[in-house]
Amino acid sequence: AQKITQTQPGMFVQEKEAVTLDCTYDTSDPSYGLFWYKQPSSGEMIFLIYQGSYDQQNATEGRYSLNFQKARKSANLVISASQLGDSAMYFCAMRLEYGNKLVFGAGTILRVKS
Amino acid sequence: EPEVTQTPSHQVTQMGQEVILRCVPISNHLYFYWYRQILGQKVEFLVSFYNNEISEKSEIFDDQFSVERPDGSNFTLKIRSTKLEDSAMYFCASSEAGFRRTGELFFGEGSRLTVL
Repeated sequence: AQKITQTQPGMFVQEKEAVTLDCTYDTSDPSYGLFWYKQPSSGEMIFLIYQGSYDQQNATEGRYSLNFQKARKSANLVISASQLGDSAMYFCAMRLEYGNKLVFGAGTILRVKS
Repeated sequence: EPEVTQTPSHQVTQMGQEVILRCVPISNHLYFYWYRQILGQKVEFLVSFYNNEISEKSEIFDDQFSVERPDGSNFTLKIRSTKLEDSAMYFCASSEAGFRRTGELFFGEGSRLTVL
């Protein structure tokens, strides 16, 4: 079974500051992928970043980086230099190698203050 | 850039009516999915589809739901007799492969279903 936990219902960050959104996961499978998606108020789901369980290095995509701590089963998203347009809901998700579905966490609402 | 498109963007229906939500996945993708999101809640998996058959489905996906790929491009979700609790945003998604290093799902913009 897969489980994703996002313990922060909401976060505030000052514009231009960095922010970390927490995600922990639970699976007994050794091979899996971890994803972060952004959902702005318009509702669409935007893929941000991916981390494979066997990847040696933390994933980075522009201002997004994933702090992957495999032993702790955590996959926190770090957004550097926050912008007002980063205000959105952020979902952490997991996919097992021998399955197709993504399982999502409950999400974290991020508000960037000017 | 290729994208997943969904129609309608919003549908209002009476309880008990049949609804069909349509999706055009990205053309070279092989795996197709439906997810739903009740307002303010998490995104929930409904069903995955590969090689013209359901590969996995959740407990939510009961006999009232069905999926079909009637031609080479469309992927539809049918709800036979809608209930109030079916009101949600329904997302279609597709992926190039079942699992790979960059096997992210690409989502459509969603179809909001309101059941009265």
